[in-house]
Amino acid sequence: AQSVTQLDSHVSVSEGTPVLLRCNYSSSYSPSLFWYVQHPNKGLQLLLKYTSAATLVKGINGFEAEFKKSETSFHLTKPSAHMSDAAEYFCVVSGTYNTDKLIFGTGTRLQVFP
Amino acid sequence: KAGVTQTPRYLIKTRGQQVTLSCSPISGHRSVSWYQQTPGQGLQFLFEYFSETQRNKGNFPGRFSGRQFSNSRSEMNVSTLELGDSALYLCASSLGDTRSGGNTIYFGEGSWLTVV
Repeated sequence: AQSVTQLDSHVSVSEGTPVLLRCNYSSSYSPSLFWYVQHPNKGLQLLLKYTSAATLVKGINGFEAEFKKSETSFHLTKPSAHMSDAAEYFCVVSGTYNTDKLIFGTGTRLQVFP
Repeated sequence: KAGVTQTPRYLIKTRGQQVTLSCSPISGHRSVSWYQQTPGQGLQFLFEYFSETQRNKGNFPGRFSGRQFSNSRSEMNVSTLELGDSALYLCASSLGDTRSGGNTIYFGEGSWLTVV
């Protein structure tokens, strides 16, 4: 079965410092992995998607994630945090073949201090 | 290009009533999925429709149902509402072809349901 574990429920950074949000996955086959962001009282916005084309995936707003099969990790990073990055971030793995079903992690709340 | 549109955005219902939520996918998208988001359970998959057929179903009671129309628009219905059904209900759409895996899936803003 597919699953993801987000290792931190809360992360706090200062504006201008790097961001690291950690995610480990479990999958019985080569997975598709995603990061979504949710701002307060909003829906989910796709940040980036990994589907085996390249292990380093670049997303929107300066975010990127690296797929490491040996570590079963898919951590999200950004070199310099901005106040507008404060939100909830979800690591997501796709379900099995022939479905769009997504399995979500529990989320990481990112706080950015001035 | 319009995104995924959900209506209504906010609604309040009484226990025992039923509710219908609507979702219009991105033009050209044939797959629609529904998710429930609560503080306690997080984001949970409800069901998925593709070409008017339910392709996958989550672990929710039969009070939760859905359907998809020929224009790919979808509705979900919750009957005999309970207080625990209070949640943000999110609809998502994609092109629907899963042969290559990992469809890009786009979400709507959600429908906030409060059951009192």
